[in-house]
This record gives sequence, structure tokens and C-alpha cells, in this order.
Amino acid sequence: DSGVTQTPKHLITATGQRVTLRCSPRSGDLSVYWYQQSLDQGLQFLIQYYNGEERAKGNILERFSAQQFPDLHSELNLSSLELGDSALYFCASSDGLARNTDTQYFGPGTRLTVL
Amino acid sequence: GENVEQHPSTLSVQEGDSAVIKCTYSDSASNYFPWYKQELGKGPQLIIDIRSNVGEKKDQRIAVTLNKTAKHFSLHITETQPEDSAVYFCAARSYGGSQGNLIFGKGTKLSVKP
Repeated sequence: DSGVTQTPKHLITATGQRVTLRCSPRSGDLSVYWYQQSLDQGLQFLIQYYNGEERAKGNILERFSAQQFPDLHSELNLSSLELGDSALYFCASSDGLARNTDTQYFGPGTRLTVL
Repeated sequence: GENVEQHPSTLSVQEGDSAVIKCTYSDSASNYFPWYKQELGKGPQLIIDIRSNVGEKKDQRIAVTLNKTAKHFSLHITETQPEDSAVYFCAARSYGGSQGNLIFGKGTKLSVKP
């Protein structure tokens, strides 16, 4: 158990809908990362937050947004969902202190299915 | 930006044999290289990592080597066991426009046959 929690475990929804995925980092970790894992694209970095502020952005679509709250939990919002958004979404956390080399610990993921 | 290539995509070994997975990266400024193991239905689990100031690191049956000149790093698993069966991902820290994120290889599905 990495100490990172994600809810829900599974999510089934329809095209055009909006969903929110939630992540709680390990105790003491300030950085939260979101990744998308699909069969054809592998693990893709979406976005990183550090202590409530956006720090880095990857291949995140404009339909997707995230935030990190004062208690350090994070939410990833996916809107106008398309079939191609079906994937596993992982959250990872790190202490964020060693900016370039700190270790990321992954949560169990949320499996999103868009019908 | 950073690009990580991982080979092979699948690897099947007999229990007790060694397994080697290789990765190459493109960004010479990358300095952190973790390896993750992902079992079915679970999130990636860090098994070992190496920083660019070190050439080799071992942890029991697992070792990682790094060749900065050639920009490649490898995972070595000795005395493989059935519970080593999983998908293994290598990654490199990218410095590009998205500093702090990891760029992952496509993964290697390792099967250890009893």
C-alpha cells in the first residue's frame, strides 16, 4: 500500500458527461501528479500540483482540469467526455522537496469507462 | 522533450532464470530513473530507482544500471519467481516544459513460468 488513496475505483458514464476523480496524497506529501493510462498510449503525465499551486502541465486536454485543496487532496475534473477518454487515471504523490529527483508513489487508480 | 524507449515489450522466462529489461532516453539532462512494477488491477509500485550520479544500484534480487554516455539504463532481476510476473515500466525525469513529471516507457510484460 503506497499510502495514496483514490476514489472511486470504477466509474461508468456516458459521452458528454462530467466526472470528478479524487486523490488523497501520502501523509506529508505536498506534490500531486495525475496520469492517464490507456492501452495504446501507456502512462501519460497530465498535470502536477505543489502545495495548492499548479507546477507543471503535460498532455492535458482543455476539457480536463484539476485543483489541489488546502488539505492537499486533489481532484481531476473531466468534462464533455468522449469514448476515447476511457482509461485508468492514476494519482501519484511526492514530498516535492527535491524538485527534480523526488520519488513518486502511485495510488490504485480510477478506471473510467465512457459508453 | 524527453522520449523513453523500452524493450522488450514482452518477456517470458523460466523460474530461477534472470530477466533483463532495457530502456533508452533522449534528454541528456534527465537525472532520475525509476522502475515501477504494475500488477493487474493495481497502480504502479516503485521497485528501484537510480540517480545520474550513480552507475549501479542493487536491492536484493533487483539491480539497475545506468550508462549516461549511451543514455540507457537497464533493470536486472535475478532468480526470478512467479510473483515477479507483472508489467514493468521504466521512466525518466523530464526537464522540458513540464519539469517534475516522469516520462514512461511503454512497459514490459514479464511472465515467469514455474
